[in-house]
Amino acid sequence: GAGVSQSPSNKVTEKGKDVELRCDPISGHTALYWYRQRLGQGLEFLIYFQGNSAPDKSGLPSDRFSAERTGESVSTLTIQRTQQEDSAVYLCASSLGDRGEKLFFGSGTQLSVL
Amino acid sequence: LAKTTQPISMDSYEGQEVNITCSHNNIATNDYITWYQQFPSQGPRFIIQGYKTKVTNEVASLFIPADRKSSTLSLPRVSLSDTAVYYCLVGDTLTGFQKLVFGTGTRLLVSP
Repeated sequence: GAGVSQSPSNKVTEKGKDVELRCDPISGHTALYWYRQRLGQGLEFLIYFQGNSAPDKSGLPSDRFSAERTGESVSTLTIQRTQQEDSAVYLCASSLGDRGEKLFFGSGTQLSVL
Repeated sequence: LAKTTQPISMDSYEGQEVNITCSHNNIATNDYITWYQQFPSQGPRFIIQGYKTKVTNEVASLFIPADRKSSTLSLPRVSLSDTAVYYCLVGDTLTGFQKLVFGTGTRLLVSP
């Protein structure tokens, strides 16, 4: 596609429910990143994929968070038993995976946990 | 990982040149310096990247002194549409870049 696509753009859920967020990176981009941005704050690194593997999962806030990537393409971020503090914009970015290259971001998924 | 420090906010007027300086005292040899721009309800957008000296593109210029411990993003003749948050990031994409926390960035407000 022309850019990084994320779905849904908005998600409202009830506390305790599971949610799944999707990211479609730019075709050919081997690196994929998930970030979380709370209102008025900077971006918090969550996880990074090189191909289908995630060499570093240390940014995931808790074991309720998980992510996977298949076919070096689409990635899903799953949040189980959502809590109100999970409310934020979840941003996905992709890149070619080479040294020094730039990240291309999607518009994010606004998650609201009631 | 190199930590960056930027002013929290800046104000300017249309047509003026804006310079945003970022400090990164512990930058590593392999680190690049990258600036992103973020508008409300959008993901950050790449502006410019450099390693040393000066880089210029159609949007901005990036000035990096010889010691590379700081960098300055220069936006010539800003317009109202340049009102956004600007993030400075330092890192090497292949090693530490992917773990970077963007920080709070610099909120630029351009007034008429």
